[in-house]
Amino acid sequence: GQSLEQPSEVTAVEGAIVQINCTYQTSGFYGLSWYQQHDGGAPTFLSYNGLDGLEETGRFSSFLSRSDSYGYLLLQELQMKDSASYFCAGTGANNLFFGTGTRLTVIP
Amino acid sequence: NAGVTQTPKFRVLKTGQSMTLLCAQDMNHEYMYWYRQDPGMGLRLIHYSVGEGTTAKGEVPDGYNVSRLKKQNFLLGLESAAPSQTSVYFCASSYYYPTGENSPLHFGNGTRLTVT
Repeated sequence: GQSLEQPSEVTAVEGAIVQINCTYQTSGFYGLSWYQQHDGGAPTFLSYNGLDGLEETGRFSSFLSRSDSYGYLLLQELQMKDSASYFCAGTGANNLFFGTGTRLTVIP
Repeated sequence: NAGVTQTPKFRVLKTGQSMTLLCAQDMNHEYMYWYRQDPGMGLRLIHYSVGEGTTAKGEVPDGYNVSRLKKQNFLLGLESAAPSQTSVYFCASSYYYPTGENSPLHFGNGTRLTVT
């Protein structure tokens, strides 16, 4: 089966750094993606890790460790507009499966 | 570029009624998907298609049917709606299998369906 676990809620201060963790169990695992979704909006793609290590895209970085079945999304220099839900998604043998999402609240 | 377009945006149905949700993409993507999103449950795959004329079941296919008669369109049908199908439905597409940053999922803006 496929399962991805992430914390349901995280709160952080504007300007700070926050890490959102994701642990997974997927058969035939190819890689881990991250998507952002603002309230009432559509999910949008943030990053993908196909290999172990860190991928950096501006203020956002994503990390994958296949041996630990674990990844995380790191958001730096938090801005109020980063308040949203963040989903990890595992590409498995049959398709892409999403975690239940982490709601990030950025406070002043 | 329109990307992925879903219609309608909102709909209220009575139990037992039927309806079809329409999804259109203008990016020439091979893969198309229907997800439903419920509070606390993330996005769950209903059905997907790997090309024109093909369909396959996802995690939660019961109560839904799909068709992909044209490459750019993917239709989701509810033959006899039930309150358990109250949800937000998202259509998505990708150029090929979503294994990398070159083929992420592109989502439509969603259809908010309420079944009473």
